[in-house]
Amino acid sequence: ELKVEQNPLFLSMQEGKNYTIYCNYSTTSDRLYWYRQDPGKSLESLFVLLSNGAVKQEGRLMASLDTKARLSTLHITAAVHDLSATYFCAVVGDSNYQLIWGAGTKLIIKP
Amino acid sequence: DARVTQTPRDKVTEMGQEVTMRCQPILGHNTVFWYRQTMMQGLELLAYFRNRAPLDDSGMPKDRFSAEMPDATLATLKIQPSEPRDSAVYFCASGPSIGEQYFGPGTRLTVT
Repeated sequence: ELKVEQNPLFLSMQEGKNYTIYCNYSTTSDRLYWYRQDPGKSLESLFVLLSNGAVKQEGRLMASLDTKARLSTLHITAAVHDLSATYFCAVVGDSNYQLIWGAGTKLIIKP
Repeated sequence: DARVTQTPRDKVTEMGQEVTMRCQPILGHNTVFWYRQTMMQGLELLAYFRNRAPLDDSGMPKDRFSAEMPDATLATLKIQPSEPRDSAVYFCASGPSIGEQYFGPGTRLTVT
């Protein structure tokens, strides 16, 4: 059974600091997706990672995928308040019919 | 700018009533998903369609929930009868593949 674990589930940090959110999954997959949800809003796609070693960056966010370790990271550089949101990772299982979501990491960035 | 649309955006109903939520996926997307989100349970996948055929509805309470795609431009989620524990935000999403999804704005359902 494919399981996806995110940690931490909650993160409060100061502006200007760096931090990393981790997404571990339990079976082989080479497709991983990161989404962002602002409070009271819908989800929007952030990054699509489709191969081992894939790295995507947008602004202060950088996502990477290590399929051998079954691990993706979302790194925040010099955090700003506008990045406060809940971040979800989702993994497509081998069957191509399963999409399993992590529980989400609620990120609060304090001025 | 193509978007997933959902109606209604807000729905308040009494326990026992039927609720129907509608979704118009983005034209050309062949996968459609229904999700439910609550504070307690987080984001739950209820149903998933590919090319209008249901592929996975294991997350959906079968006794009261049903999901259909009568055509490529419409997906529906029905709850009959509704219960207070169904109160949640229901999202529809569509995409060109299972992982790449575009979410609608959601329907906030309150069952009293």
